[in-house]
Amino acid sequence: GAVVSQHPSRVICKSGTSVKIECRSLDFQATTMFWYRQFPKKSLMLMATSNEGSKATYEQGVEKDKFLINHASLTLSTLTVTSAHPEDSSFYICSARVPRVYTQYFGPGTRLTVL
Amino acid sequence: QKEVEQNSGPLSVPEGAIASLNCTYSDRGSQSFFWYRQYSGKSPELIMSIYSNGDKEDGRFTAQLNKASQYVSLLIRDSQPSDSATYLCAVNVLTDSNYQLIWGAGTKLIIKP
Repeated sequence: GAVVSQHPSRVICKSGTSVKIECRSLDFQATTMFWYRQFPKKSLMLMATSNEGSKATYEQGVEKDKFLINHASLTLSTLTVTSAHPEDSSFYICSARVPRVYTQYFGPGTRLTVL
Repeated sequence: QKEVEQNSGPLSVPEGAIASLNCTYSDRGSQSFFWYRQYSGKSPELIMSIYSNGDKEDGRFTAQLNKASQYVSLLIRDSQPSDSATYLCAVNVLTDSNYQLIWGAGTKLIIKP
């Protein structure tokens, strides 16, 4: 299957700081990437759809000014959690969709802890 | 509201037996269906995709699709303890001129040695 990388895998930060998470498709070009959040023992929650060269589409209830998404190239999307607070602590996972096939491949995830 | 339903489990199956995981979906127009496996603390991993009615086999895994009944299932033969995980059913739907996956809540599978 296709390979998606995510960096960093784990980050601990102080409340009020910003954290950037990178998602890369390594062996295919992804015009569409997705950002999910998952709390312990809970379902995946789609936060936003990231389309290369255009603004991200955010799901209802997700603050676009807090979770900044940039999909600047066909292989890279970034999620920046701005002014992070302890309630933002979660497992953030990106996925990239293979064009014309609609299969999504996931990155390994980033565990964010905000102190 | 387009939905995907799964029994949350846990589903307990003895080692070596067949594990059967089920999923129903509401959008009759859906064309693509996926099964992902997620180990605790890890991200989802694609196991199977299926697009046509009938069975699709890959090793110990068989996906079954019945579009008339809006039902998709995953069979795991010769279950191993390493198969213990949460299995997520996902259905591709067209939403606001964009395709996205609608996820089931997942079924926790436990394979008992």
